[in-house]
Amino acid sequence: AQSVTQPDIHITVSEGASLELRCNYSYGATPYLFWYVQSPGQGLQLLLKYFSGDTLVQGIKGFEAEFKRSQSSFNLRKPSVHWSDAAEYFCAAGGGADGLTFGKGTHLIIQP
Amino acid sequence: GAVVSQHPSWVICKSGTSVKIECRSLDFQATTMFWYRQFPKQSLMLMATSNEGSKATYEQGVEKDKFLINHASLTLSTLTVTSAHPEDSSFYICSARLTNYEQYFGPGTRLTVT
Repeated sequence: AQSVTQPDIHITVSEGASLELRCNYSYGATPYLFWYVQSPGQGLQLLLKYFSGDTLVQGIKGFEAEFKRSQSSFNLRKPSVHWSDAAEYFCAAGGGADGLTFGKGTHLIIQP
Repeated sequence: GAVVSQHPSWVICKSGTSVKIECRSLDFQATTMFWYRQFPKQSLMLMATSNEGSKATYEQGVEKDKFLINHASLTLSTLTVTSAHPEDSSFYICSARLTNYEQYFGPGTRLTVT
């Protein structure tokens, strides 16, 4: 069965520190991969996506993600977080004619 | 570009009544739209795939007679929760497919059934 795993439910990072959010997927073939951010009570905003080519993907708001086929991972990174980055982050896989399979999300807390 | 709207943004209804949620792609045509459900502090779960001009495809465990989906045009899909019960209270989010690797999400509709 298709699945996306985000092993960290909560992560706390100091403002200005670097960030890495983990995501692993289990699919029959390499799916399209996405990272979304959701603020409380809001919809989803796409941070970045991967479907082929360069395994290091640049997104909005200074985020990047690296696809590693050998590890079935698509981890999200940011070199220096800002207080406004506090939110819920979802990794998702799928696409094409299908809907997306989402991980359970990682709640990011920024410490001043 | 690629904006998706939902209406209403929140709705309260009484148990036993029906409520309709609209999902519109404002600046592009979408032959395929998706409906997701999100419980508080949980992830999004795909409920159904809505294809313009044909019947929706429901995920396993989703009652198609309770969650009626209509995709009558290339810019509008509707989700009707019939005979709503308190356990149907949730955050419902739609997305519209622009390309094979691009889905754009609406802002969501919070349904509370009393």
